Amino acid sequence: GESVGLHLPTLSVQEGDNSIINCAYSNSASDYFIWYKQESGKGPQFIIDIRSNMDKRQGQRVTVLLNKTVKHLSLQIAATQPGDSAVYFCAENPRAGGTSYGKLTFGQGTILTVHP
Amino acid sequence: GAVVSQHPSWVICKSGTSVKIECRSLDFQATTMFWYRQFPKQSLMLMATSNEGSKATYEQGVEKDKFLINHASLTLSTLTVTSAHPEDSSFYICSASSARGHQPQHFGDGTRLSIL
Repeated sequence: GESVGLHLPTLSVQEGDNSIINCAYSNSASDYFIWYKQESGKGPQFIIDIRSNMDKRQGQRVTVLLNKTVKHLSLQIAATQPGDSAVYFCAENPRAGGTSYGKLTFGQGTILTVHP
Repeated sequence: GAVVSQHPSWVICKSGTSVKIECRSLDFQATTMFWYRQFPKQSLMLMATSNEGSKATYEQGVEKDKFLINHASLTLSTLTVTSAHPEDSSFYICSASSARGHQPQHFGDGTRLSIL
């Protein structure tokens, strides 16, 4: 089946730098995307989402960019802090009408390490 | 808002034991709940989708007689791992959504299951 993948499994940055985490998806039927943060021993925490009719969405210190042409999703974290250290997953949700509607497919994850 | 509670957080038991994991939505009604399994340093794999009052839908390769799911109310779903063996040891995570599709799933903090 189609899957969501990530380019980089690990990312190390200095505190205060901006971080960019990338995700490539292959299911052209997906029209809703979510970024989650997972800290060690915990469940994923919702960060930000975006629908396919948008190219960009901003939250507090985070921005998600969606490029449907190349099926690419990115999460930008501004002024990265040590508390941002975690595993970040992108997830895709197929559009309505199919049997997979409502089910999330997760990417492999990127480990973000922020050095003080 | 959108808090999902999962219990227990950690279970250690002998091979052959059945283990029940509870997933509760504390401040919203979850029409759909999902159960995932996660191995160390890997992504989340969907096991089954649970809708209140109906039978769960299992993903390919997941044994429904091994992983019993009950979704008796809009705030509670349970996963029972029957006759657990060491290969069932994993991190089990539930999520809940108030609507299927373009709504983020909210996750519990997972259950670490260790079968001796």
